[in-house]
Amino acid sequence: EADIYQTPRYLVIGTGKKITLECSQTMGHDKMYWYQQDPGMELHLIHYSYGVNSTEKGDLSSESTVSRIRTEHFPLTLESARPSHTSQYLCAGEDTQYFGPGTRLTVL
Amino acid sequence: AQSVAQPEDQVNVAEGNPLTVKCTYSVSGNPYLFWYVQYPNRGLQFLLKYITGDNLVKGSYGFEAEFNKSQTSFHLKKPSALVSDSALYFCAVKDGGFKTIFGAGTRLFVKA
Repeated sequence: EADIYQTPRYLVIGTGKKITLECSQTMGHDKMYWYQQDPGMELHLIHYSYGVNSTEKGDLSSESTVSRIRTEHFPLTLESARPSHTSQYLCAGEDTQYFGPGTRLTVL
Repeated sequence: AQSVAQPEDQVNVAEGNPLTVKCTYSVSGNPYLFWYVQYPNRGLQFLLKYITGDNLVKGSYGFEAEFNKSQTSFHLKKPSALVSDSALYFCAVKDGGFKTIFGAGTRLFVKA
């Protein structure tokens, strides 16, 4: 877990707010991923990246966006948060062998 | 399209007994197979993976998994369960491409 860092770990915000979930890594992984997971449920791929300036949407439709300006960082942004975005967001690196601790997001 | 199935929502086992968590997959081409464990309010921890070679893969915390090509299975096993093994376990598959597909998860309860 120490290879992938995510902040914040927990976030409670009101509807309509813009938020950015941070994901960073120190291992030089080219491939990075964002998964969405409801508590105790399966993971759904929402975004992935091959490397700098390369991002793709995953299988689950998401209103979030991502960027990959630097190899080390892969932030996920919600322009206008809604209660339906309440979930856990997991960042992973290199063949999904390394996962961050997750951000648990609650939108009121 | 690739897919993975974990047929049991929950597995109950007594401490000290062997445990098995089942996983079957469907993929075109050679599969890359993974097992992860998730504790409450935590991310996923990688346990083991199969890419090629020996069908029996050994991983972290005494876990192992057996790849069976004819049955398209990759069951997770441990000879002697611990109470601390109680957690949520995910099987995942990749077909050599970019995306990893996860199963729905199996909750393991180990009773003392």
